[in-house]
Amino acid sequence: EPEVTQTPSHQVTQMGQEVILRCVPISNHLYFYWYRQILGQKVEFLVSFYNNEISEKSEIFDDQFSVERPDGSNFTLKIRSTKLEDSAMYFCASMEQAWKTQYFGPGTRLLVL
Amino acid sequence: QQPVQSPQAVILREGEDAVINCSSSKALYSVHWYRQKHGEAPVFLMILLKGGEQKGHDKISASFNEKKQQSSLYLTASQLSYSGTYFCGTDQGTSGSRLTFGEGTQLTVNP
Repeated sequence: EPEVTQTPSHQVTQMGQEVILRCVPISNHLYFYWYRQILGQKVEFLVSFYNNEISEKSEIFDDQFSVERPDGSNFTLKIRSTKLEDSAMYFCASMEQAWKTQYFGPGTRLLVL
Repeated sequence: QQPVQSPQAVILREGEDAVINCSSSKALYSVHWYRQKHGEAPVFLMILLKGGEQKGHDKISASFNEKKQQSSLYLTASQLSYSGTYFCGTDQGTSGSRLTFGEGTQLTVNP
């Protein structure tokens, strides 16, 4: 069964450093998402991406964040200058077409020291 | 605005039933239910589109009352594997189909 994959599974970085989180969505899916979950809290939407552009973003997704689909398979989230409060589990999700099921990847646990 | 889930937590014995509720103050296009085990990704359970449909999957079913903007998840004859945190995610039909999640309901099934 096709799955969303994410790398790395864990990332530790120093405050102020740039990180890139990578995702490979399910191959025939057209919509891509990043969500985050701070430990013990609910899942929060960051950004949605369709047709090579951002279709929606939340107030969390400020200028420090960016997304890219550099080729036909990868989808990346970049945090330019990490802050302590960016520590969280970051989930990538993909969806085949509008208003269908979003399938989540296993997540990248980011720890900012 | 995030949906409100109730109860926050529930403890069951194996074989008992449970109902988890999710309500929104906003008009919804769909409601998505996920189960998350500790340290893992949310796993999709089912999606309910507006129209008041009810869906089922094995001993787990759900309903969506469009007039009240409420959804309920029904777990019958619970199994140990049902333990986890259940989240409802609501879609208001925006262009990006963003999901807004509730705080979750922690379900524990004991032998």
